[in-house]
Amino acid sequence: SQKIEQNSEALNIQEGKTATLTCNYTNYSPAYLQWYRQDPGRGPVFLLLIRENEKEKRKERLKVTFDTTLKQSLFHITASQPADSATYLCASGGTYKYIFGTGTRLKVLA
Amino acid sequence: GAGVSQSPSNKVTEKGKDVELRCDPISGHTALYWYRQSLGQGLEFLIYFQGNSAPDKSGLPSDRFSAERTGGSVSTLTIQRTQQEDSAVYLCASSTGTDNSPLHFGNGTRLTVT
Repeated sequence: SQKIEQNSEALNIQEGKTATLTCNYTNYSPAYLQWYRQDPGRGPVFLLLIRENEKEKRKERLKVTFDTTLKQSLFHITASQPADSATYLCASGGTYKYIFGTGTRLKVLA
Repeated sequence: GAGVSQSPSNKVTEKGKDVELRCDPISGHTALYWYRQSLGQGLEFLIYFQGNSAPDKSGLPSDRFSAERTGGSVSTLTIQRTQQEDSAVYLCASSTGTDNSPLHFGNGTRLTVT
């Protein structure tokens, strides 16, 4: 079945460093991937979308890559701040039925 | 403008009771989704509404679950004869319905079945 996998272990990094989160997909080829941020007790908030024919997308301190050979997307936060601490979800689309990963919890230490 | 609104934010109910969860999407959004999020799990698709088309109910876990969307706007998710395994956060999202359009989520209803 179609699957999106994210590292379920929490990622702790020092303030100012670059955080890199991984999203792998199996058994299908999504036309695009989306990344969301979710804070405790809140719904996910959309951050970025990248299409399969785009290698990289940037928005302020965020960068997303899409490698169709590796079946993987990487999500980078540069110059990370404690306020970036949250769970980050990867989702695939191509039809209306988005498939979400379980998310990776990021903690940026001051 | 207002985002997606869900009510109640928390609901505690006894096993066997029925519950209704409400979602008020962003005005003008034609697509509406319900997802369920359990601890440590990804978002589980439940149901999708798009305009006047027949909803995609393929994610509903049992016939105890139903949903409707009145007038292309507000949606209600109903769970009958609740079970403890129904305890989760129920998230509603809306979008413009075009391909690639991001989902706008509400803050969810946390359902606890005792």
